[in-house]
Amino acid sequence: EAGVAQSPRYKIIEKRQSVAFWCNPISGHATLYWYQQILGQGPKLLIQFQNNGVVDDSQLPKDRFSAERLKGVDSTLKIQPAKLEDSAVYLCASSLERGGSSYNEQFFGPGTRLTVL
Amino acid sequence: SQQGEEDPQALSIQEGENATMNCSYKTSINNLQWYRQNSGRGLVHLILIRSNEREKHSGRLRVTLDTSKKSSSLLITASRAADTASYFCATVTTGANSKLTFGKGITLSVRP
Repeated sequence: EAGVAQSPRYKIIEKRQSVAFWCNPISGHATLYWYQQILGQGPKLLIQFQNNGVVDDSQLPKDRFSAERLKGVDSTLKIQPAKLEDSAVYLCASSLERGGSSYNEQFFGPGTRLTVL
Repeated sequence: SQQGEEDPQALSIQEGENATMNCSYKTSINNLQWYRQNSGRGLVHLILIRSNEREKHSGRLRVTLDTSKKSSSLLITASRAADTASYFCATVTTGANSKLTFGKGITLSVRP
């Protein structure tokens, strides 16, 4: 079966610019996650969707980050405006989870490496 | 905040040797998961152990969980060069809307 798809794979922007990332989860997976992974650290959850509703966005910097999952399938994560500290790999994951929790294994995409200059 | 803390931070072994990695956590969990990350295959789920389980096996992997000590270990037997990667312990707390929280990871190098 096809895995989680993400694009672009790499992005270089200057601070204060905007950027958007796209994710297509595994078919049939109700839950979609966006993580931020800073170099040398583990992934940190930014936002969790169940179908097209937000389950958890407590760690999303809402003054500059936004995300949506229209029609409960694909999702986009946007940063506007970007700061130097946003340089990281942005990972999208999906799972069969249906209850709003995160009890099952998650399947990760290849990630988007963002560099903010 | 990071729930799991792995130990050691880096490990270098010879091919064929066993690798043992440890993880400690702070709060009650529903389950604990181990993931591997390398440049070739990205972040991949290895094994999940639930709070009512003590040991689990998958191929060359053996995971133990001690909820009284809030710790887990991952053993990779007969290591191969292809096992070179970063390994992450991730915990899922109990309760509604629980999320997967990763540690900082362990860098494993397997020398041919």
